[in-house]
Amino acid sequence: AQSVAQPEDQVNVAEGNPLTVKCTYSVSGNPYLFWYVQYPNRGLQFLLKYITGDNLVKGSYGFEAEFNKSQTSFHLKKPSALVSDSALYFCAGKKAAGNKLTFGGGTRVLVKP
Amino acid sequence: NAGVTQTPKFQVLKTGQSMTLQCAQDMNHEYMSWYRQDPGMGLRLIHYSVGAGITDQGEVPNGYNVSRSTTEDFPLRLLSAAPSQTSVYFCASSYGPRAGGPSEQYFGPGTRLTVT
Repeated sequence: AQSVAQPEDQVNVAEGNPLTVKCTYSVSGNPYLFWYVQYPNRGLQFLLKYITGDNLVKGSYGFEAEFNKSQTSFHLKKPSALVSDSALYFCAGKKAAGNKLTFGGGTRVLVKP
Repeated sequence: NAGVTQTPKFQVLKTGQSMTLQCAQDMNHEYMSWYRQDPGMGLRLIHYSVGAGITDQGEVPNGYNVSRSTTEDFPLRLLSAAPSQTSVYFCASSYGPRAGGPSEQYFGPGTRLTVT
């Protein structure tokens, strides 16, 4: 069975500092990996995805993620965090030929001014 | 485009009652799915559909039914509500496999359900 783990329930960072949100996956074959963000009382919004090719994926709002096959990780990064980046972040993954997307438990990011 | 819409936004049910959560999308997406979100557990897939007339079970299907008679609509039915079904429910849609490549999912605003 496939699984996605986000080892940190919460990440605190000062505004202007780099932000990293960790994700590891267990998906057979070549995985498709996604990051979503959820603001309070809202649905999830897509940030970026990895399909194949370049291990560094760039997405919306200045976010990027690095796919590392040997470490089965797909960490989300932002060079300089903003207070408005405070939200709940979800990593998700699926098999290339599969229809079921599996989500991690979510990481709450708090960016302090 | 309205995107993915869900009704109602909030609902309170008594144990044993039944109800239908509505979901509609206007993007002509083949793939639609229902998730429940519980604290610390992320989103868990309940049921999904890869096209009209085709549905399949996800990770936590017990106590829920779905049908897909049109491309646009994908209602979720709670047959006999239980307190364990208290959760926030999200509907999502995306282009299907025939569109080529994995498509990101578009999420509705959610329905907050409380079962007493």
